[in-house]
Amino acid sequence: EPEVTQTPSHQVTQMGQEVILRCVPISNHLYFYWYRQILGQKVEFLVSFYNNEISEKSEIFDDQFSVERPDGSNFTLKIRSTKLEDSAMYFCASRKTSGRVRKDEQYFGPGTRLTVT
Amino acid sequence: GEDVEQSLFLSVREGDSSVINCTYTDSSSTYLYWYKQEPGAGLQLLTYIFSNMDMKQDQRLTVLLNKKDKHLSLRIADTQTGDSAIYFCAESTKESGGYQKVTFGTGTKLQVIP
Repeated sequence: EPEVTQTPSHQVTQMGQEVILRCVPISNHLYFYWYRQILGQKVEFLVSFYNNEISEKSEIFDDQFSVERPDGSNFTLKIRSTKLEDSAMYFCASRKTSGRVRKDEQYFGPGTRLTVT
Repeated sequence: GEDVEQSLFLSVREGDSSVINCTYTDSSSTYLYWYKQEPGAGLQLLTYIFSNMDMKQDQRLTVLLNKKDKHLSLRIADTQTGDSAIYFCAESTKESGGYQKVTFGTGTKLQVIP
């Protein structure tokens, strides 16, 4: 079964550094998402992306964050200047626009654990 | 805005049934989901229900939806130690322009006692 992949599985960075989290969505999916989960807390929506632009973003997704689909397969989340409170598990998800079965299902990747020291 | 609430912890004995409950606020939900997260792992979709259904059964899993009360439950029959995990309830809503947003609950930690 096709799956969403994310790299790296764990990223450690120093405060103030830039990080790029990478995701490879399922190949025929057209909607892409990033979520984050701070340790012990709920999964929070960050941003959705469609047709090479952001379709919706939460209040968490401020100017420090950006997303990009640099080629036909990758979907990246960049944090320009990391803060301690950015430490979290970041999940990528993708969704197919149409299909008779599970049309609205988002498929999640395994996550990247970001630790900011 | 959307809000999804769950109890934080549930402990059951192996072989018993587990019932995990969830309440949500947005009546325009399209789909409601149950995700499982094992320690250190990602989110695994267990099952889902379309908002115009009342019940869905999938092997050991039974999902009940009370749309009037905005209440969703997940019943796991014959609970096994491998079912120990955090279970997230989630709802999807269609935003303007057709974009979908998924809102997750706080998660219920299920502990299965051998």
